[in-house]
Amino acid sequence: DIQMTQSPSVLSASVGDRVTLNCKASQNINKYLNWYQQKLGEAPKLLIYNTNNLQTGIPSRFSGSGSGTDYTLTISSLQPEDVATYFCFQHNSWTWTFGGGTKLELK
Amino acid sequence: EVQLQQSGAELGKPGTSVKLSCKVSGYNIRNTYMHWVNQRPGKGLEWIGRIDPANGNTIYAEKFKSKATLTADTSSNTAYMQLSQLKSDDTAIYFCAMGMAYWGQGTLVTVSS
Repeated sequence: DIQMTQSPSVLSASVGDRVTLNCKASQNINKYLNWYQQKLGEAPKLLIYNTNNLQTGIPSRFSGSGSGTDYTLTISSLQPEDVATYFCFQHNSWTWTFGGGTKLELK
Repeated sequence: EVQLQQSGAELGKPGTSVKLSCKVSGYNIRNTYMHWVNQRPGKGLEWIGRIDPANGNTIYAEKFKSKATLTADTSSNTAYMQLSQLKSDDTAIYFCAMGMAYWGQGTLVTVSS
């Protein structure tokens, strides 16, 4: 199975900050990488699909990039409602896997 | 509007089975894959597997191959997951997800004697 490693596991930032979350795959996943946001007590929400495609209804402050094994989710200006845990998810291989998550907190 | 409505919370005894449902409205499940994901208390997300409702083909993550059985009923636009031989470690919230884009609200499964 492809292993997905997210860093950092916890990130503290201030409102208005530019925030970068990282996700590394154990092998090339050919940009088949999604990002999900999960707020406490809620189901995950799809933010970005296939590395850099913004899901309908998601604010444009969210963006994704990457290739090969290394991928990034960027929030251009952190808002209070962005406090959540973020998960990357690869769907390149026969079986699919999530990263362990990054918990984003307000400083 | 696409909506996924999952069945209610389950309390299962060790060694028994439970069957969860996920009814989709607003989209024909024949045209997509239905996925299942779990989340143990305080932990991350685990992809369990997917089913192609059009033909019943399934793929499971290795660790769930003998635990989960995915089925779908296209006449009722509903996906199902049966969890067998329940253990305390199976206590989790189980989500269905259509195309990994639209998610149900989750079903809490608690395994306890």
